Amino acid sequence: AQKVTQAQTEISVVEKEDVTLDCVYETRDTTYYLFWYKQPPSGELVFLIRRNSFDEQNEISGRYSWNFQKSTSSFNFTITASQVVDSAVYFCALKDNDMRFGAGTRLTVKP
Amino acid sequence: KAGVTQTPRYLIKTRGQQVTLSCSPISGHRSVSWYQQTPGQGLQFLFEYFSETQRNKGNFPGRFSGRQFSNSRSEMNVSTLELGDSALYLCASSTEQGWRAGANVLTFGAGSRLTVL
Repeated sequence: AQKVTQAQTEISVVEKEDVTLDCVYETRDTTYYLFWYKQPPSGELVFLIRRNSFDEQNEISGRYSWNFQKSTSSFNFTITASQVVDSAVYFCALKDNDMRFGAGTRLTVKP
Repeated sequence: KAGVTQTPRYLIKTRGQQVTLSCSPISGHRSVSWYQQTPGQGLQFLFEYFSETQRNKGNFPGRFSGRQFSNSRSEMNVSTLELGDSALYLCASSTEQGWRAGANVLTFGAGSRLTVL
C-alpha cells in the first residue's frame, strides 16, 4: 500500500523562485517519523530533516522550511529563493513500523 | 570523518550470475540497511542489520541476501540475476538499533549501480 505520496514528479523553476514540494503520508500509527532527503546527481541521499508525529511545529533552516500538518497528513517542503545547487531529487519518507520513501520529486532550478 | 563507502560503484553482470556488494558504514555506526532504487519502483527497503543480526527484511525474494561482519561492514548478495535486478543499490548506516528503537537518521553511501544484461 502506498504510504508516502509525492504527487509532483518533476518541477522546474527559475533561480530565485520559491518552490514547494508536497508530501502526503498514510499511517495508522500514532507514533511515527517523517523525513526529507535530497539526492543530488552524485546519487548519495542527504538527510535534511526529521520530524516526529508529536511535534507539529514548522521548521525553518536557512532557505528551507517545512510545514507539518497532521490534519491533512502532509509534510511539505519549501525552498525559498531557489538556487541552481538545489537541483536534485527530493524524497519524503515515513517511518512507522517500517521505512517507506515516496517516489521522489525531481527539482530543476534553471539559472 | 569518512562517510559510508560502497564498492564497487558500477558493475555489469549477465543474467544468471551472482553479485556481491560491499558497504562500510561510518565508524561507530552499528546499523546498516540496504535499499534498491529503480525508476519504476523507487526506493525499496531490502534489509537491515545490527550487530551481525538481520533485524528487518523487505519484500524481496530469497535471491537477495546479506550479512554483517563484526566490524559492522556489510555485504549483500544477489544470486541468479534477472534483468529486473538492474538498479542502484544504496547502503545506509546509523547509530541506532532497528526500526522500533527510534527514528533512525540514515547516512547513505553513493550506491552501487548494477546493470544486468
